[in-house]
Amino acid sequence: AQSVTQPDIHITVSEGASLELRCNYSYGATPYLFWYVQSPGQGLQLLLKYFSGDTLVQGIKGFEAEFKRSQSSFNLRKPSVHWSDAAEYFCAVDPAGGGADGLTFGKGTHLIIQP
Amino acid sequence: GAGVSQSPSNKVTEKGKDVELRCDPISGHTALYWYRQRLGQGLEFLIYFQGNSAPDKSGLPSDRFSAERTGESVSTLTIQRTQQEDSAVYLCASSLSGGGIDTQYFGPGTRLTVL
Repeated sequence: AQSVTQPDIHITVSEGASLELRCNYSYGATPYLFWYVQSPGQGLQLLLKYFSGDTLVQGIKGFEAEFKRSQSSFNLRKPSVHWSDAAEYFCAVDPAGGGADGLTFGKGTHLIIQP
Repeated sequence: GAGVSQSPSNKVTEKGKDVELRCDPISGHTALYWYRQRLGQGLEFLIYFQGNSAPDKSGLPSDRFSAERTGESVSTLTIQRTQQEDSAVYLCASSLSGGGIDTQYFGPGTRLTVL
């Protein structure tokens, strides 16, 4: 079955440390790939997206993600986290490439920032 | 410009009652999506509108769920005879044309609690 897996339910990182959030997908072809962030009391905000081309994608707030076809992964990274990065992060795919089937989301990774 | 808005922000209802949730997309966006987010889970795609047409309603959880959209504007999601398992946050998103390359912009959601 087609799926998106975020293996880490919770991750705790010290402020200023680097961050990597994992995402794996299971689809026959390369889908469109997204990372969204959901802060408490706020809606989802798109961090970055990948469709084709350069496998290293730059996003907002200093985030980047790397698509690795051989590993069916699209991991999110940030060199140095800030306390304001504490939030829920969702990886998502658009399997149809046309939007009509909506996005399929992983279950999310809750990021905790230690002072 | 204004983002996606949803109303009400919170709804508490008794089991068996009907509820109606409203979504106002970004002006000019032809595509509209409804998702459900249960506690601790990722988002679950429910239905997609292109204009006022929903080509595939198979994502709706049961026949108690229905959705409609007026032109390329407001959409309502109706849940009849609510059950406790319907308790969730219902999120609406819109995008410019519904193509996979388009960004989906999410509203803040309606938190539904069925007692």
